[in-house]
Amino acid sequence: NAGVMQNPRHLVRRRGQEARLRCSPMKGHSHVYWYRQLPEEGLKFMVYLQKENIIDESGMPKERFSAEFPKEGPSILRIQQVVRGDSAAYFCASSPQTSGGSHEQFFGPGTRLTVL
Amino acid sequence: QKEVEQDPGPLSVPEGAIVSLNCTYSNSAFQYFMWYRQYSRKGPELLMYTYSSGNKEDGRFTAQVDKSSKYISLFIRDSQPSDSATYLCAMRKSSGDKLTFGTGTRLAVRP
Repeated sequence: NAGVMQNPRHLVRRRGQEARLRCSPMKGHSHVYWYRQLPEEGLKFMVYLQKENIIDESGMPKERFSAEFPKEGPSILRIQQVVRGDSAAYFCASSPQTSGGSHEQFFGPGTRLTVL
Repeated sequence: QKEVEQDPGPLSVPEGAIVSLNCTYSNSAFQYFMWYRQYSRKGPELLMYTYSSGNKEDGRFTAQVDKSSKYISLFIRDSQPSDSATYLCAMRKSSGDKLTFGTGTRLAVRP
C-alpha cells in the first residue's frame, strides 16, 4: 500500500510565477491536509479538504493561495505570483474517513519550494 | 504566546541513554496528542498517538499525557544513533481536526 505521494519533490520558481503542488492521499483516505514548514519552525496548518469540499482554510493566506481536491485526481495546492517568503517545505497529510476512530494523519515526503 | 511550546534543543546524548522530550500547551480543548519523528529533509513519521491523559508504551517509546498540567512527554529508552532526528509534538481538539505542532526538538545520539 503506497503512502502519501507528493510531487514534485523540489520546485524552483522565479518571483511572480505560479507554483502547483500535488498530493495523492493513501489508498482509502478521503481527507487531505496541507501544512507549511519554514526553516527552523514547526509545521503550520494551511487547509483541510475532503473530496470536492474545503472543510477548513483558516491557515491559508487570503491572497495568492488556493487548494482543491477534485472528485478524481490528486489534491492541488496552488500559489500564484510567488514571492521569496513562500520558499518553504509544503507537506500533505491524509487520513481515513471513519465514523469513530482516531483519524491519524500520515504525511508525504513534502515539496520543497524555492523562489528565486 | 504559542499554543504549543517545545524546547528546540539541540539535545545530544550518548548511545543507550534515556531521552526525555516534552511539550507544554495552553489550550485545554486539545484531546488528541501525537509525537512525530522527522529525519532531515523527510516528511514527519507518526511515532505515538494518545487520547486524553495517561501513558502509552510501544517498544522503546513511552508517551505520557498530563492534561491537568497541560504537559506531554515522550521517553526513548536505550537510545540509538538511528534515533537522531527532530521530534515534533502535535495535538488536536477532535477527530479530523487540524494538527497544531510544536517547533520540534532536534536530538543527536552519539555512538
